Amino acid sequence: NAGVMQNPRHLVRRRGQEARLRCSPMKGHSHVYWYRQLPEEGLKFMVYLQKENIIDESGMPKERFSAEFPKEGPSILRIQQVVRGDSAAYFCASSPAATWAKNIQYFGAGTRLSVL
Amino acid sequence: DAKTTQPNSMESNEEEPVHLPCNHSTISGTDYIHWYRQLPSQGPEYVIHGLTSNVNNRMASLAIAEDRKSSTLILHRATLRDAAVYYCILRGGPNAGGTSYGKLTFGQGTILTVHP
Repeated sequence: NAGVMQNPRHLVRRRGQEARLRCSPMKGHSHVYWYRQLPEEGLKFMVYLQKENIIDESGMPKERFSAEFPKEGPSILRIQQVVRGDSAAYFCASSPAATWAKNIQYFGAGTRLSVL
Repeated sequence: DAKTTQPNSMESNEEEPVHLPCNHSTISGTDYIHWYRQLPSQGPEYVIHGLTSNVNNRMASLAIAEDRKSSTLILHRATLRDAAVYYCILRGGPNAGGTSYGKLTFGQGTILTVHP
């Protein structure tokens, strides 16, 4: 059973370009979470999605960032007009259910975004 | 959300046991105690979780104080591969409500260094 797959592993963008990060959850998982880890900082929650729904986006920056988890295909975290401060590791996690405190999240290896 | 407090760093020698403490004095009756770890350049990885009773799995043991205000993650025989940042996280029970039940809130964690 494949784990959470994120691609690309490394992404280089110039300021002003768009970045698209993809996350395929584990088989059978319908809940996806995105986290960001800025250099020398801790992991911060960004957004929680179920298929075709955004459940909690309290950690998403107000501008330039968006996320989706369509009925078919991977979840996408999209960053428009990237700036140097967006350089970070972005981690995706998935779980089979989210409303129970025993719920375990399984993480991907992350996408490391570098903005030149 | 209830807060956890962990030492910034700890050191151990290979093959020796490691006890990683976590204080959570404001824990509520339905909060589960979860531990995750993050190895260098990797995504976080689930380690163990518990509610009231001590728990064991193939990776570690979790000892929970009787008043639940603290817990200890125990690695019985540390290896070099156990060098990581260890996070103690509280997760709300089934009546937590709201949207906070989905996300994991990571603190600074404990950096564990294992010496050969």
